[in-house]
Amino acid sequence: ELKVEQNPLFLSMQEGKNYTIYCNYSTTSDRLYWYRQDPGKSLESLFVLLSNGAVKQEGRLMASLDTKARLSTLHITAAVHDLSATYFCAVASYYGGATNKLIFGTGTLLAVQP
Amino acid sequence: DTEVTQTPKHLVMGMTNKKSLKCEQHMGHRAMYWYKQKAKKPPELMFVYSYEKLSINESVPSRFSPECPNSSLLNLHLHALQPEDSALYLCASSQAGYQETQYFGPGTRLLVL
Repeated sequence: ELKVEQNPLFLSMQEGKNYTIYCNYSTTSDRLYWYRQDPGKSLESLFVLLSNGAVKQEGRLMASLDTKARLSTLHITAAVHDLSATYFCAVASYYGGATNKLIFGTGTLLAVQP
Repeated sequence: DTEVTQTPKHLVMGMTNKKSLKCEQHMGHRAMYWYKQKAKKPPELMFVYSYEKLSINESVPSRFSPECPNSSLLNLHLHALQPEDSALYLCASSQAGYQETQYFGPGTRLLVL
């Protein structure tokens, strides 16, 4: 059974600081997703990482994927308050045919303090 | 159009009521999903429809009944729910295929009294 773990579960950081969220998964997968969720809102797709060594950047967020280590990281550079949200990584579990099931990590609640 | 819409946004129902949640997308996606999300938890998959056919049912109680009338619409019929069913219900859609990105709707926040 595919399991996805994130750490830390909660991250309080000051504006301007850098930090990294880690996502480990238990079985082979070559595609990993990062989503953002604001309180009471839906999930917004941030990144899709397609292959080993993939790196994507958008603004102050950079995501990377190491399929051999089954590890993805989401790096936050010079945090600002607007980045405060819960961040989920997710891995697809194949069910056969055209069907996949998305397994989410536990989520990381990021709080950026002024 | 890259939007998944859901109605209603909020729903309060008693344990004897029957209600339905509605989800719609016009992106030409042929896979649609229902997720349940409790507070401070990740979304949990309930059902997957692929080409309008139910392909995954994650052992969801029968008081939840999904329906996919056509390729753009997905319904979730609710009957005799329990207070512990109170949650945010999220609909998502994607291209049909392994590991396609899922796009989520805004969700319906359900409260069962």
